Amino acid sequence: GAGVSQSPRYKVAKRGQDVALRCDPISGHVSLFWYQQALGQGPEFLTYFQNEAQLDKSGLPSDRFFAERPEGSVSTLKIQRTQQEDSAVYLCASSSDRGGREQYFGPGTRLTVT
Amino acid sequence: GESVGLHLPTLSVQEGDNSIINCAYSNSASDYFIWYKQESGKGPQFIIDIRSNMDKRQGQRVTVLLNKTVKHLSLQIAATQPGDSAVYFCAETFGSSNTGKLIFGQGTTLQVKP
Repeated sequence: GAGVSQSPRYKVAKRGQDVALRCDPISGHVSLFWYQQALGQGPEFLTYFQNEAQLDKSGLPSDRFFAERPEGSVSTLKIQRTQQEDSAVYLCASSSDRGGREQYFGPGTRLTVT
Repeated sequence: GESVGLHLPTLSVQEGDNSIINCAYSNSASDYFIWYKQESGKGPQFIIDIRSNMDKRQGQRVTVLLNKTVKHLSLQIAATQPGDSAVYFCAETFGSSNTGKLIFGQGTTLQVKP
């Protein structure tokens, strides 16, 4: 079975550009998470969806960050007016558990803002 | 080989030896703990989890120990192999209304010498 996939794997954006990062979770997984991982650090929570409902967005660092999961499957993380501090790996994880137990991660999208 | 303290960034062990990676977690209300392995350029890979009502859980070549009194978690890897070389993160979730968001530690790099 396919795991979590993310695209693109690498993205270079000029400061001020908007970017959109895609996550395809494992089929049937109700819970979907986005995390941000800075170089040499552990992942940090950004936001959580249960099906199409965004139940927790407490980790989004600013209103430039927006996530959606309109049909309860694929999710998109959008960053507007990118800044250099947005450079990081963005990880998506999914879980079959509504409480998010046993999360399976995708390979991540490495975003570099120049 | 054994890592000690909260932030020993690198643990180096001989192939075939047992490895112990330690982690101190932050919240006494945490009720679920997970160990992840992350290889370069990849997303975190689920290894083993443990709930707060347990103090030990065993998997294939891995054992997780939980000491709630001192808020300490450890991962033991038996007969360490070169393929075990990676960064290992502990993660916790907490809160009665938690949405499953994971709080990750800083990570320990495991280097296996042939």
